[in-house]
Amino acid sequence: GAGVSQSPRYKVAKRGQDVALRCDPISGHVSLFWYQQALGQGPEFLTYFQNEAQLDKSGLPSDRFFAERPEGSVSTLKIQRTQQEDSAVYLCASSLGARGSGANVLTFGAGSRLTVL
Amino acid sequence: GIQVEQSPPDLILQEGANSTLRCNFSDSVNNLQWFHQNPWGQLINLFYIPSGTKQNGRLSATTVATERYSLLYISSSQTTDSGVYFCAVGEGVAGNQFYFGTGTSLTVIP
Repeated sequence: GAGVSQSPRYKVAKRGQDVALRCDPISGHVSLFWYQQALGQGPEFLTYFQNEAQLDKSGLPSDRFFAERPEGSVSTLKIQRTQQEDSAVYLCASSLGARGSGANVLTFGAGSRLTVL
Repeated sequence: GIQVEQSPPDLILQEGANSTLRCNFSDSVNNLQWFHQNPWGQLINLFYIPSGTKQNGRLSATTVATERYSLLYISSSQTTDSGVYFCAVGEGVAGNQFYFGTGTSLTVIP
């Protein structure tokens, strides 16, 4: 597609529910990133994929967070047993991912705003 | 990870004024990008600038990698420039681990 698409845009969950957030990156982009942005803060890195391989998941805050990108395109971020502190905007970004100038320019989606009650 | 500090945290400008935003980072990087987050939350890439100077219309940016800082210049500011400006730096083999600063919140008043 023309841009990075995320769904749902807004999600309200009761504490303890599982949620799944979807990211559809720009076609042909090798690299895909998930970020978490709390109110008034900068985005914080969660995880990074190169094609279907999850090369870095050091930013995932707990084992309740899980991300996958099984066919190297669409990615899903799953949060199990949601807690109130999980409330945030979850941003997905993609980049070409190849070496060379500008290949790692990030294009962000509009984000998924999660509110846990 | 790399520490990224941005200044000033908040800035209010009269339309038409110029401004300079600063980004300091704690370690050597091979990727640096400036973003504008509009009031609806969308992050837009402004510059990919690991070193050197670039200009795009009323915006320009300079990164001095050896001194670990980058500057974003906004000239003749417009109300549509309002929002939060983030600097993000990357390290690693392909600069894939990005760290964001806390941003500069800019308000341009007519």
